[in-house]
Parts: sequence; C-alpha cells; structure tokens
Amino acid sequence: AQTVTQSQPEMSVQEAETVTLSCTYDTSENNYYLFWYKQPPSRQMILVIRQEAYKQQNATENRFSVNFQKAAKSFSLKISDSQLGDTAMYFCAFMKGPYNAGNMLTFGGGTRLMVKP
Amino acid sequence: EPEVTQTPSHQVTQMGQEVILRCVPISNHLYFYWYRQILGQKVEFLVSFYNNEISEKSEIFDDQFSVERPDGSNFTLKIRSTKLEDSAMYFCASNGGASTGELFFGEGSRLTVL
Repeated sequence: AQTVTQSQPEMSVQEAETVTLSCTYDTSENNYYLFWYKQPPSRQMILVIRQEAYKQQNATENRFSVNFQKAAKSFSLKISDSQLGDTAMYFCAFMKGPYNAGNMLTFGGGTRLMVKP
Repeated sequence: EPEVTQTPSHQVTQMGQEVILRCVPISNHLYFYWYRQILGQKVEFLVSFYNNEISEKSEIFDDQFSVERPDGSNFTLKIRSTKLEDSAMYFCASNGGASTGELFFGEGSRLTVL
C-alpha cells in the first residue's frame, strides 16, 4: 500500500515571494505518477502539476514547479511569485502505474497555504 | 468551462437512513469516481467506475455503498443504512481518459449523520 505524507499542515507566504510545500511518499512501485492538487476555499480541487516517475526532469507549469527526488521519495512543490489567488489547500497525491484512468489516487493530508498581502 | 456538479451541497440525515448523493460529470468523460474526506482526515478513494461497471474500489466501499449511472448524465452514490462514521465530505470526480491523469472534481456534498 502507498502512503503520502505532507508534514506542513499550514504555511504562509508574503505576496510575490516563493514558498515550497513538502511531500514524501512511500511505495514499492517503480512506475507511478505524482500530482499536486489545489483546493481554493469553497471551490473544487484542480490539478496544479503532474510528474511521471520515469521522467528525471522536474515538471514545471508557469509559476509552479516540483523538485522530484525519486530515491528519497520526495515530491515538493515550489510556488514562485506567490499571488493572493494561490491561497488554498494543497494536496499531494500518488497514482501507481502503468497508467489506467481507473486507478485510485492516494492523497496526503494537505497543506493549507495562505498568501498574505 | 465544463464542471462536475454535485447535489445536494449539504445533507443531514438520521442514522440508518438511506442517502443518495448525485453527481453530473463532465459530459464527454468516461471515468467516474467517488472520494470522501472525513473532517480533519485525508481524502480517501472510494470507487472508480467505467463502462457501467466498477473499475476499482477501496476497503471502505463495502456492501453499504453502491454506485450507479442511471442515465447518460448522472452518477450516484448510495449509502443504504448510514452510520455516524459516514459523516464526511463526498467528492465526485470525472476523467476523460486522457493520459494526463487529471481528475476534475466537484465541490463536494457534505453528509452529516445524526
């Protein structure tokens, strides 16, 4: 069974600064996918960024990037130039491969990020 | 932009009652899911559904739970005889089958069992 751990229940950052959210996971699988989802207050969870375990290059999406350390089983999310709209709960999630859309996501406990003006 | 919609947003029920939570996935999506989050705990997978049958289910998804796609648009989660521990936020999600793995979530239905 897989486990996902987010060790920071809450974080805050000043607008325009950079913040890193931590995520570690435990699995015996070699083929898997990792995700960061964002849930703004009273809104749906939306996908922020995705990483395939077989890719060494870290995924980036505009101001969002990850630091994927496969050997350490670590998958942190960096948010650059933080904006007020980044205030949300952030969930790290794991899906075992090979890819099948029916596969379950295993979520971490979430990190509540507040961006301060 | 297409969205997954869920009803009701909040339901209060008595222990032992049957509850049906409804979801309208994005129209051209093929895979459907239910997740739940008990207050203060992790989001947990319940079940995935494809081609009118369950693809995968967790240990939580016991005989008290069932899912159905009664028509071309709705996807429902039924809890036959609710227990206090079923109180949670229930999230529906859908996926078009794309290899991105992106799930599109609804806003959730909060179930309170008294």
